[in-house]
Amino acid sequence: GIQVEQSPPDLILQEGANSTLRCNFSDSVNNLQWFHQNPWGQLINLFYIPSGTKQNGRLSATTVATERYSLLYISSSQTTDSGVYFCAVDTGGFKTIFGAGTRLFVKA
Amino acid sequence: DAGITQSPRHKVTETGTPVTLRCHQTENHRYMYWYRQDPGHGLRLIHYSYGVKDTDKGEVSDGYSVSRSKTEDFLLTLESATSSQTSVYFCATGSGTTNTEAFFGQGTRLTVV
Repeated sequence: GIQVEQSPPDLILQEGANSTLRCNFSDSVNNLQWFHQNPWGQLINLFYIPSGTKQNGRLSATTVATERYSLLYISSSQTTDSGVYFCAVDTGGFKTIFGAGTRLFVKA
Repeated sequence: DAGITQSPRHKVTETGTPVTLRCHQTENHRYMYWYRQDPGHGLRLIHYSYGVKDTDKGEVSDGYSVSRSKTEDFLLTLESATSSQTSVYFCATGSGTTNTEAFFGQGTRLTVV
């Protein structure tokens, strides 16, 4: 089956810093999503981005489907950005497969 | 976000007992999923449903069964709970047809002692 790899696995930032999270996938996908899991365990949809670029406030994402990767950019990070960021892909079989996540801690 | 309710939110059960987790959605989404989340593994798909009475296995389906008798409810049953099934279980629903954006419930923390 498809492999989804996220990097880095862990990231520590000082508040105000910028960061880039990467998601590589091993096969063609129908869609790709980015999620944030907050410290309370809730999974929050960030982007639904099978291709192209989207922005939402301090967050933006780019997916290059032909090269099988997606990037999540966090600018001017805040402590509330802490948590785990997951990339998830759908290969068209109605199954959404997740990467292992990037654990982010933003220090005040 | 989609209206997805999981019950119970927390459960402690004994090894060998059957356990059923319920997922209820109010969005009329066609697709529903059960995942488990364990440290170091992210979220892994257990079973999914693509319509009433239409279900299929995911990555880690052994020891689990599901049922979907109506659009809004998707049940996950651990036939005989084991300690390895201690985990956090998430239900998700999917909108759309071939491109399925997933929305998640709040999770159920299950401990098997």
